[in-house]
Amino acid sequence: KAGVTQTPRYLIKTRGQQVTLSCSPISGHRSVSWYQQTPGQGLQFLFEYFSETQRNKGNFPGRFSGRQFSNSRSEMNVSTLELGDSALYLCASSPDRVGEKLFFGSGTQLSVL
Amino acid sequence: GENVEQHPSTLSVQEGDSAVIKCTYSDSASNYFPWYKQELGKGPQLIIDIRSNVGEKKDQRIAVTLNKTAKHFSLHITETQPEDSAVYFCAALGPGGSYIPTFGRGTSLIVHP
Repeated sequence: KAGVTQTPRYLIKTRGQQVTLSCSPISGHRSVSWYQQTPGQGLQFLFEYFSETQRNKGNFPGRFSGRQFSNSRSEMNVSTLELGDSALYLCASSPDRVGEKLFFGSGTQLSVL
Repeated sequence: GENVEQHPSTLSVQEGDSAVIKCTYSDSASNYFPWYKQELGKGPQLIIDIRSNVGEKKDQRIAVTLNKTAKHFSLHITETQPEDSAVYFCAALGPGGSYIPTFGRGTSLIVHP
């Protein structure tokens, strides 16, 4: 069974630009959640989608948004990038229950210059 | 909201020794406690989890103990091997936080051959 796939692996952007990250969950998993990982703040929850609906949202500004498609694939968008958005963005899928048995992808390393 | 503290931040052991990592949580309603291992360049991987109705769970060289009264849980790794070297994260979640996982800051485990 293929794992969680995130693309691209690395991304370099400049302040003010926007970025879209992609995540393909494990086949059969309906829940997809996104996390930001930084040395300063650690692992923080961004949002979670289940059957194309956002079920939970973390404490991040509205510049961070996401969506999930009918095939469970998910995208995350960050608009008007700031230097502080530089981080590893991780996607995780799980069979059903939010937050449990998370399978993480390898992440997208975003650098904002 | 939930607050999870993890100690120590760095742990250095000799191959064959045991390693113990401890986490405390604040929300008494939390009822699911997973542990993740993150190797360099990879996303976190679930290694063991425990629910609040269980005091201890083992899986080969790895065990997790939970003390609900004191609100702390610990990861125990016996007979450590160099391939155990990684960053380990604990997390806590439950109905009080809409099942959004709150992660500890991580423990860098170094196993010297």
